[in-house]
Amino acid sequence: GQNIDQPTEMTATEGAIVQINCTYQTSGFNGLFWYQQHAGEAPTFLSYNVLDGLEEKGRFSSFLSRSKGYSYLLLKELQMKDSASYLCAVRTNDYKLSFGAGTTVTVRA
Amino acid sequence: GAGVSQTPSNKVTEKGKYVELRCDPISGHTALYWYRQSLGQGLEFLIYFQGNSAPDKSGLPSDRFSAERTGGSVSTLTIQRTQQEDSAVYLCASSISWGSSYNEQFFGPGTRLTVL
Repeated sequence: GQNIDQPTEMTATEGAIVQINCTYQTSGFNGLFWYQQHAGEAPTFLSYNVLDGLEEKGRFSSFLSRSKGYSYLLLKELQMKDSASYLCAVRTNDYKLSFGAGTTVTVRA
Repeated sequence: GAGVSQTPSNKVTEKGKYVELRCDPISGHTALYWYRQSLGQGLEFLIYFQGNSAPDKSGLPSDRFSAERTGGSVSTLTIQRTQQEDSAVYLCASSISWGSSYNEQFFGPGTRLTVL
């Protein structure tokens, strides 16, 4: 399996910025995905990185450094609806996805 | 359909029973995936299908688990002689194809299985 680590929980205030880090150890890296999962719901796709650098998508950005085995998801201008679990997933050359345990983000008013 | 659908949404069964979980992928998606999510755990990959073929079954937890897909569409995951440790949410996802570089997976709402 793959070692994928991300913090268990984070709390932030509405309007603030939160950065969720993800580190991984894998052979045959073939892309990194971030998913959002609200309680009791299915995960939904947020971002995909396969090359080093920053991918920006509205209030959400994702960064990848393949040499460091490191990614982060940046959530800006936090809204209450952003309270959810954020899953980091690494794809390997066999096109399998391995997920981290997820980071629960709580946004306070 | 518009999205991935799964039935039933909830299933409560007794230890030792047989259960069958169904996944209906997005129309036209050739790749289909099954995952398991236990409380507080990450998604655990179980099996994938490209068309009707499942090239790698190594993710299935035991020989009590099996899956099939017919007609390149609906898939069923079956668990025989259920155990309490099988209790989890079983998620199905589909994507346009298996080997494409982008390969975004779309998830269904899941089946919550509780084994008493």
